[in-house]
Amino acid sequence: KNQVEQSPQSLIILEGKNCTLQCNYTVSPFSNLRWYKQDTGRGPVSLTIMTFSENTKSNGRYTATLDADTKQSSLHITASQLSDSASYICVVSARDSNYQLIWGAGTKLIIKP
Amino acid sequence: DTAVSQTPKYLVTQMGNDKSIKCEQNLGHDTMYWYKQDSKKFLKIMFSYNNKELIINETVPNRFSPKSPDKAHLNLHINSLELGDSAVYFCASSSPRRGLASRGRTDTQYFGPGTRLTVL
Repeated sequence: KNQVEQSPQSLIILEGKNCTLQCNYTVSPFSNLRWYKQDTGRGPVSLTIMTFSENTKSNGRYTATLDADTKQSSLHITASQLSDSASYICVVSARDSNYQLIWGAGTKLIIKP
Repeated sequence: DTAVSQTPKYLVTQMGNDKSIKCEQNLGHDTMYWYKQDSKKFLKIMFSYNNKELIINETVPNRFSPKSPDKAHLNLHINSLELGDSAVYFCASSSPRRGLASRGRTDTQYFGPGTRLTVL
């Protein structure tokens, strides 16, 4: 069964600190993996999209990694800011007829001053 | 100049009513989607439309019907609302891109602000 699991479920860190969010998936055949940021009361916003040939991709202070062999991805946030408080959702696209997206439940990140 | 817009933002209604949620995108995308986000925060796709053709239809009750008058609009009509329909509904749009190395689609989906539906 295609699944995406994220950890931790929630995380609280102090402003300025770094953190890493994890994503494990069992989606097969694999097409690509995406990280979204969802602010409270808003729609998700895409941070990165990585295909099987990409090991790392950065978007400002966000760096995503992908290990297609172990089916794991991480999202590293550097020098966190209060505006980073949000849910971060890992989404894996299956290479089926519809390229369906399998969504994780997200990690709720809270940045404290 | 909002890219993907939805109306209304909040919708409170009685069980058994029929309601519609509207979605418009000005990005020139050819695929639009409806998602439902429940209280556990999982986003579940309901429908997608590509060039006025339904290409994904998950196990959604037939009380839900998407209507696309043109490529820029995908409205969601819900008949006989039930308590379990209470959720946040997101519209999204994308334009498929096929990367040489991706072996698939790498289109970015752009989401609207969501419509919070509460059925009493």
